[in-house]
Amino acid sequence: AQTVTQSQPEMSVQEAETVTLSCTYDTSESNYYLFWYKQPPSRQMILVIRQEAYKQQNATENRFSVNFQKAAKSFSLKISDSQLGDTAMYFCAFMKRETSGSRLTFGEGTQLTVNP
Amino acid sequence: KAGVTQTPRYLIKTRGQQVTLSCSPISGHRSVSWYQQTPGQGLQFLFEYFSETQRNKGNFPGRFSGRQFSNSRSEMNVSTLELGDSALYLCASSLDRGRTGDTQYFGPGTRLTVL
Repeated sequence: AQTVTQSQPEMSVQEAETVTLSCTYDTSESNYYLFWYKQPPSRQMILVIRQEAYKQQNATENRFSVNFQKAAKSFSLKISDSQLGDTAMYFCAFMKRETSGSRLTFGEGTQLTVNP
Repeated sequence: KAGVTQTPRYLIKTRGQQVTLSCSPISGHRSVSWYQQTPGQGLQFLFEYFSETQRNKGNFPGRFSGRQFSNSRSEMNVSTLELGDSALYLCASSLDRGRTGDTQYFGPGTRLTVL
């Protein structure tokens, strides 16, 4: 079974600064997908970024980028130019490549607070 | 394109009752997954439906069941409610074009409180 670990329960950052959220995972699979989702106080789960394990290039999405280290099984999220609207719970998630079906395995989450 | 919708948004039930939650996926999405979110256990996968068939199932008791209709809408049912079933239930849909790894898009959730 796969496990996802987020070792930082809470983090804070000043507006306009950069912050990095950590995520490690454990799997014996070679093909899989990794995601970061954010869940603001509204509780709506929103996709932030997605990475396919077979791609060596790190995914980027505007101010969000990842550092994917496959050998180390590490998948950190970097948020640049932090904004107040980035305040949310961030979840790292793993999906293995299956012949049919899919399921996400989530980490415990990191509560990020962006301070003015 | 409208997002994933879930009804009702909030629900209060008493122990022993049963409840049905509904999820309408994004138009064109064929796969629907359900997750339970609690402070103690975090986010846990319940089950996934595709083409009206349950394709994946998590480690939940048989009191938790679901189904999918021909229009891809899905319902989940919890019978004989227990206090521990109080949670946010999230539904997610994905395109599923015959390959795995399609991104799942989530609805706003149904907050279930069991008294």
